[in-house]
Amino acid sequence: EVQLVESGGGLVQPGGSLRLSCAASGFTFSSYWINWVRQAPGKGLEWVGNIKEDGSQKNYVDSVKGRFTFSRDNARNSLYLQMNSLRAEDTAIYYCARGYYDSLTDTSHLDYWGQGTLVTVSS
Amino acid sequence: DIQLTQSPSFLSASVSDRVTITCRASQGIRNYVAWYQQKPGKAPKLLIYGASTLQSGVPSRFSGSGSGTEFTLTISSLQPEDFATYYCQQLNNYPFTFGPGTKVDMK
Repeated sequence: EVQLVESGGGLVQPGGSLRLSCAASGFTFSSYWINWVRQAPGKGLEWVGNIKEDGSQKNYVDSVKGRFTFSRDNARNSLYLQMNSLRAEDTAIYYCARGYYDSLTDTSHLDYWGQGTLVTVSS
Repeated sequence: DIQLTQSPSFLSASVSDRVTITCRASQGIRNYVAWYQQKPGKAPKLLIYGASTLQSGVPSRFSGSGSGTEFTLTISSLQPEDFATYYCQQLNNYPFTFGPGTKVDMK
C-alpha cells in the first residue's frame, strides 16, 4: 500500500525556520517525482514545488523561491522541506504528493497524498 | 503563470442531480488537467487525469472532458458521499497551479 506520511509541523515565529519530512512506503520511492502542496486555513490548494527522482531538478513557486529548499534521501525513502525566513502567509497544512507520469495519456498527475502537517507562523 | 478559474464557486445540489463544474485556463494546456476531490479535514483525492481518464477505483459517475483552455468535471448522479470541494489542476507548465475550487453542498 502506497503511503506518504508528513511530519515536523508546528508553531514557529516569523523569520524562523522549520524542516518538514515526508516518509514514503509501498512503492519504489527513487522512481518518482514528489510534490509539495499547501493549503492555508479555509483556503484552496497551492502547489509549492517538486523534486525529481534523483534530486537533480527542483521547481518552486515564486512565493517560496530562495526561502524553501527541497531535498530527498532515496536510501531512507524520505523527502524534506527546509523552510527559512517564514512568514505569516506560509501558515498552512503542507502535503507531500507523489507525481505520476502516465505513458498512455502522456500526462502527469498527483496520485497519492499524505495526510498533511500543519505549520503555523505566528508570534 | 497559468491561471485557472472554476465555475461555479459554490453549487447547491440534491442527491441524484447531474452536476457539472467548469475549469478554464488562461492559456492552452492541452489535456494536462487533473481533478481532485477534497472533504473537510482530509487530503485531496485524485479523480480524473489527462482531462478525461478516470483514476482507478473512482466511480464511473465521475467523468471529465475538454482540451485546450476549457475543461469540465461531471458527476452524472450525485451521491451523498460526493458533497465535497473539487479542484482542477494544470500540469502543463510550471508552476502547476490549482483552480480556486468548487464547493458542492447539499440543497
